[in-house]
Amino acid sequence: SQTIHQWPATLVQPVGSPLSLECTVEGTSNPNLYWYRQAAGRGLQLLFYSVGIGQISSEVPQNLSASRPQDRQFILSSKKLLLSDSGFYLCAWGRGNSPLHFGNGTRLTVT
Amino acid sequence: KQEVTQIPAALSVPEGENLVLNCSFTDSAIYNLQWFRQDPGKGLTSLLLIQSSQREQTSGRLNASLDKSSGRSTLYIAASQPGDSATYLCAVNELGVYNQGGKLIFGQGTELSVKP
Repeated sequence: SQTIHQWPATLVQPVGSPLSLECTVEGTSNPNLYWYRQAAGRGLQLLFYSVGIGQISSEVPQNLSASRPQDRQFILSSKKLLLSDSGFYLCAWGRGNSPLHFGNGTRLTVT
Repeated sequence: KQEVTQIPAALSVPEGENLVLNCSFTDSAIYNLQWFRQDPGKGLTSLLLIQSSQREQTSGRLNASLDKSSGRSTLYIAASQPGDSATYLCAVNELGVYNQGGKLIFGQGTELSVKP
C-alpha cells in the first residue's frame, strides 16, 4: 500500500533562518506531488506541484522554493524565513483519477 | 483563473439531520472534483472523487453530485452524527497537459458542527 511521510510535525524557527521540509512517498512510482499551505482559519493554498522529477510548477510568488531530487521525494525550502511563512504545510500525492492523499502536515511557527 | 467557493462557511445542525454542503467553481474544464474532510490540526482525508464524466458518487451516508456545466457540486450527508463534525473541503483538479489532471484548487471549506 502507498504511504506518505512528512516531517517534522512541528517546527519553530526564527525569522531569517533557513527551512527544509521533506516529504516522501512509498509504494507508488511517478506520482504527482504537491505542497500546500494552510493559514489559520483559511483554506489550502497551492504552493508548488510536480508531475515528474525536476518538473516544478510554482503557483504563488514567495520566498519559498521546491525541489524533487528523486521520483518520490519532494522538498520545500527557504533561504530566509519571514513571519508570514508561518502556517500549516501539507504535502500530498496523487495520480490520474485517484484521490489526493495527504501527509499529516508540519506546523511551522516563525518567531 | 480557477476559483472554488464553498457555502456556507460554517454550519451547525442537530444530530440526525440531513444536510447539504455546496461547492462552486468558475472554470468547467476540470479533470475531477474531490471532497475531503479535515479534523482540527490534522491532514486531509479523501471522502469522494467524482470524475468529470460522472454525475455523482456515493459512499455510505455521503453522496456527492457534480454538474460540470454549471460549475457546481454538492455533498449530501444523511442522518448526521456528532462524529461528522469537521471541516469539509472540495477541490477541483484542473485539466492539464495531455488532458491529465495535476493542479488541485481548494475551496475555503465548510466547518460543520453536529450537536448531540
